[in-house]
Amino acid sequence: DTGVSQDPRHKITKRGQNVTFRCDPISEHNRLYWYRQTLGQGPEFLTYFQNEAQLEKSRLLSDRFSAERPKGSFSTLEIQRTEQGDSAMYLCASSPQGMSGNTIYFGEGSWLTVV
Amino acid sequence: AQTVTQSQPEMSVQEAETVTLSCTYDTSESDYYLFWYKQPPSRQMILVIRQEAYKQQNATENRFSVNFQKAAKSFSLKISDSQLGDAAMYFCAYRTPYQGAQKLVFGQGTRLTINP
Repeated sequence: DTGVSQDPRHKITKRGQNVTFRCDPISEHNRLYWYRQTLGQGPEFLTYFQNEAQLEKSRLLSDRFSAERPKGSFSTLEIQRTEQGDSAMYLCASSPQGMSGNTIYFGEGSWLTVV
Repeated sequence: AQTVTQSQPEMSVQEAETVTLSCTYDTSESDYYLFWYKQPPSRQMILVIRQEAYKQQNATENRFSVNFQKAAKSFSLKISDSQLGDAAMYFCAYRTPYQGAQKLVFGQGTRLTINP
């Protein structure tokens, strides 16, 4: 079990460019989550997948953000036309199906800096 | 909507001593889950301890224990015999038990420093 893997770990991009982050969850975890964390703050929920279905989206997920999980395995989070306010760490997490008290396992995050 | 508040942005403790981190939350639900997560610098967030609201007994994991006061909506974390490896950001989090809602609601975090 290699844990939740995220790529790239760091990304610097110019304002207006598109960026894409990838997340590989723990194998056999059918639930996958994306969170955003800014410096000095706790993570904020963005979206959640059960298998390939995106079941919940936060209002934080503007039209410029899109997340996919096409085959119910890895997921991508794309940010179009990046803005400086998008600078943050994007955390992916996964958990097995079952009770909501099941442990959610986090990846190390993908840092985005928009200049 | 549920909210989680950590009123201590920073805490410090001498190695081998005990420290308590505070957390309060607001919810209208009677059943839910509460968590403490640890986030070391540049490393992934890991679960420290979990508490089910329907359980009156406070959860304990080795040197980590909680004081869960449901009526007061308080959920503090006690770390005994603090070690240098305990230095990290600690986040309190809330989760509803309902299948349709999967998100964790986090507090702002407390940065814990361990003094040797």
